[in-house]
Amino acid sequence: SAVISQKPSRDICQRGTSLTIQCQVDSQVTMMFWYRQQPGQSLTLIATANQGSEATYESGFVIDKFPISRPNLTFSTLTVSNLSPEDSSIYLCSVEDPRGSYEQYFGPGTRLTVT
Amino acid sequence: DQQVKQNSPSLSVQEGRISILNCDYTNSMFDYFLWYKKYPAEGPTFLISISSIKDKNEDGRFTVFLNKSAKHLSLHIVPSQPGDSAVYFCAARSDFGNEKLTFGTGTRLTIIP
Repeated sequence: SAVISQKPSRDICQRGTSLTIQCQVDSQVTMMFWYRQQPGQSLTLIATANQGSEATYESGFVIDKFPISRPNLTFSTLTVSNLSPEDSSIYLCSVEDPRGSYEQYFGPGTRLTVT
Repeated sequence: DQQVKQNSPSLSVQEGRISILNCDYTNSMFDYFLWYKKYPAEGPTFLISISSIKDKNEDGRFTVFLNKSAKHLSLHIVPSQPGDSAVYFCAARSDFGNEKLTFGTGTRLTIIP
């Protein structure tokens, strides 16, 4: 399985600011995914990030609020912009299995609290 | 519209007994199902999966059963161990969903020593 790290592991941010989350994978993968888990809720896909192309956003998520970069096959960033308390969540990146199975492997998550 | 549902938010099971976690789905296009386990402050960890062409898949203490006609799957853990205490998510995938996983709301399993 792929080993995934995320930075920061947690942060407390003020309303109106932005937070950029980094995701690093130990192997080259084509597709990376960004999820959000709001308190007591399920994991919800924000967007899919392919290297060399624009991210594909799910319904309810827009690029202006959640810009994503994917500069190479092992790294991606998610920015959560213009923060409000409703953005307080755990943000997780995941990658497809490099061996080609349908499994996805997740990073440890970034816990964001907006005050 | 919750396409994958886990109707039991929590479950407590005695150590050594069988834990059964249930999951229902509504989208008939789902063709691959996965179970993940999540400890606090960690990302979900893949446990076991099943393709829609099968009705059972077993891996050690973990067995997943799929009933396509009922759109229902279950995860059996036997025997249950204290380290199994975690939140369990089922997830589903469609060939037409661009590798997207749709997750259930999770079931918190507590194993009582």
